Amino acid sequence: KAGVTQTPRYLIKTRGQQVTLSCSPISGHRSVSWYQQTPGQGLQFLFEYFSETQRNKGNFPGRFSGRQFSNSRSEMNVSTLELGDSALYLCASSPVAGPLYEQYFGPGTRLTVT
Amino acid sequence: DAKTTQPNSMESNEEEPVHLPCNHSTISGTDYIHWYRQLPSQGPEYVIHGLTSNVNNRMASLAIAEDRKSSTLILHRATLRDAAVYYCILRSTTQGGSEKLVFGKGTKLTVNP
Repeated sequence: KAGVTQTPRYLIKTRGQQVTLSCSPISGHRSVSWYQQTPGQGLQFLFEYFSETQRNKGNFPGRFSGRQFSNSRSEMNVSTLELGDSALYLCASSPVAGPLYEQYFGPGTRLTVT
Repeated sequence: DAKTTQPNSMESNEEEPVHLPCNHSTISGTDYIHWYRQLPSQGPEYVIHGLTSNVNNRMASLAIAEDRKSSTLILHRATLRDAAVYYCILRSTTQGGSEKLVFGKGTKLTVNP
């Protein structure tokens, strides 16, 4: 079974631009979560989607948004990029939502904002 | 929100046991304790999780204190491939169905040959 895939793997954007990142979960997984990882703040939860509905959201500004499609694939969008948005963005999937289930992480998208 | 505290770094020798501690003194009754690890240049990888009882799997053991305010991840025989950052995470489903995710800063484990 293929793992979680994220595209693109690397991205360079300029301040003020917007970016869309894509995540394809493991086949059959319906829950997708997004995380931001930076050297200073570590791993921070962005949001979680299950069956196309956002179930939970972390403490990030409204510039960060996401969605999930009927095939469970998910995208996250960051508008009006700031230098501080430079980070590794990780996507994770699990069969269903909830604390009993392990999450499977993708390799991440490395976003650099200049 | 419940928080976790882990040592910033630990060091071990190959083939020796490693005990990685995590403090979560404000844990609530609905919080599950999860451990993940992250190898260099990779996404995090699930290790183990538990609620109240000690747990074992092929990768590691999880020892949970009786009062649940702390836990210890045990790697029985460390290998060089176990060198990673280990995260202790509390996962909870609160009333209403939403889920809290609280991360520690992680412990960087160095394994010496």
